[in-house]
Amino acid sequence: DGGITQSPKYLFRKEGQNVTLSCEQNLNHDAMYWYRQDPGQGLRLIYYSQIVNDFQKGDIAEGYSVSREKKESFPLTVTSAQKNPTAFYLCASSTGLAGVQEMGTQYFGPGTRLLVL
Amino acid sequence: KQEVTQIPAALSVPEGENLVLNCSFTDSAIYNLQWFRQDPGKGLTSLLLIQSSQREQTSGRLNASLDKSSGRSTLYIAASQPGDSATYLCAVSGNTPLVFGKGTRLSVIA
Repeated sequence: DGGITQSPKYLFRKEGQNVTLSCEQNLNHDAMYWYRQDPGQGLRLIYYSQIVNDFQKGDIAEGYSVSREKKESFPLTVTSAQKNPTAFYLCASSTGLAGVQEMGTQYFGPGTRLLVL
Repeated sequence: KQEVTQIPAALSVPEGENLVLNCSFTDSAIYNLQWFRQDPGKGLTSLLLIQSSQREQTSGRLNASLDKSSGRSTLYIAASQPGDSATYLCAVSGNTPLVFGKGTRLSVIA
């Protein structure tokens, strides 16, 4: 089955620790995205990528980093610089980059809930 | 900067009722608008995608309309069922990646 997988489902971070959230897609989509969701806040864009080895900052990129070494994979690292990391993190992909006429439906993974110990 | 507003924030209806969810956006220069469903603790599921050149899209009991000039979209759900209970989000794509509203939390009471 085609889709997006995220792991782990739950992640616990100790103060000062960097943690990495995994996102893999087998939809052959060019564009991938990371969002953060807080209660009552809606989704906010962290980073997005249109092609391998290229990515752009979204609205709340501070304290986060990403890489795009393979088309299928777009891992997100939450660094120690992110002082309030507790949230629900969602990865998504689409055939074209959102903001371009040809962008199709955006598909989402099941999410990773990050909690701070 | 694009802003998306969804009204109401929460809605409770009896089973079988027809209902309308509203979405408004401040910048009418969009390429498309999407409606999503989110169940508690889960990811988003795409329901309907409306391109800027279209006026509406239908899927089963769902019908979404788009009035780009007035910056509005509605999601119509016919004959609501308890399984429709979820949060519904709309999002618009313009010259930036998708901008989301905060959603409408729908409860359908049996």
